[in-house]
Amino acid sequence: DIQLTQSPSFLSASVGDSVTITCRASQGISTYLAWYQQRPGKAPKLLISAASTLQSGVPSRVSGSGTGTEFTLTISSLQPEDSATYYCQQLDTFPRTFGPGTKVDIK
Amino acid sequence: EVQLVESGGGLVQPGGSLRLSCAVSGFPVSSYEMNWVRQAPGKGLEWLSYISSSGRNLFYADSVRGRFTISRDNANNSLYLQINSLTAEDTAVYYCARRAVCDFWGQGTLVTVSS
Repeated sequence: DIQLTQSPSFLSASVGDSVTITCRASQGISTYLAWYQQRPGKAPKLLISAASTLQSGVPSRVSGSGTGTEFTLTISSLQPEDSATYYCQQLDTFPRTFGPGTKVDIK
Repeated sequence: EVQLVESGGGLVQPGGSLRLSCAVSGFPVSSYEMNWVRQAPGKGLEWLSYISSSGRNLFYADSVRGRFTISRDNANNSLYLQINSLTAEDTAVYYCARRAVCDFWGQGTLVTVSS
């Protein structure tokens, strides 16, 4: 099975800051990676597919990059509504594993 | 409007079974890949199962293979997850999600396994 790790597991930043979350895969997955945002008590929301394709309605200050085994999610100009947990998921092979999540807190 | 509504969760004793449903509207479930994903209390997301758009290809996480069965009813535009031999470790919110990339999710249904 493909394992995903995320770093950091927690980060705290101020409104207006830029933050980057890294997702690493245990083997190459090309660009078969998605990013999700989950606010407390809510279902996850798809932010990015194919490593860098922004979903409709997601602010352009959110971006994704990477290929192979290392991927990043960047949120520039952090806003209060970005307080959430972010997960990556590999879509290369089954089982379709998720990363452990990164909790983003707004100071 | 795309909507997915899960139901069928509840309190069940260890060793018991449940059938979770995902009622779909806004698109034909017969034309899309679908997934089940769960989240234990305070934990991360765990992918469980997938059914292809043709319905011929089914995949499961190792943790549930042999105990969980994914299926769908095209006439009722619904997705199902039969969950058997439940243990406390299966306590979680269960979500259905559309497409391989999970572009739409339901609100989830809570399954609690306890005596």
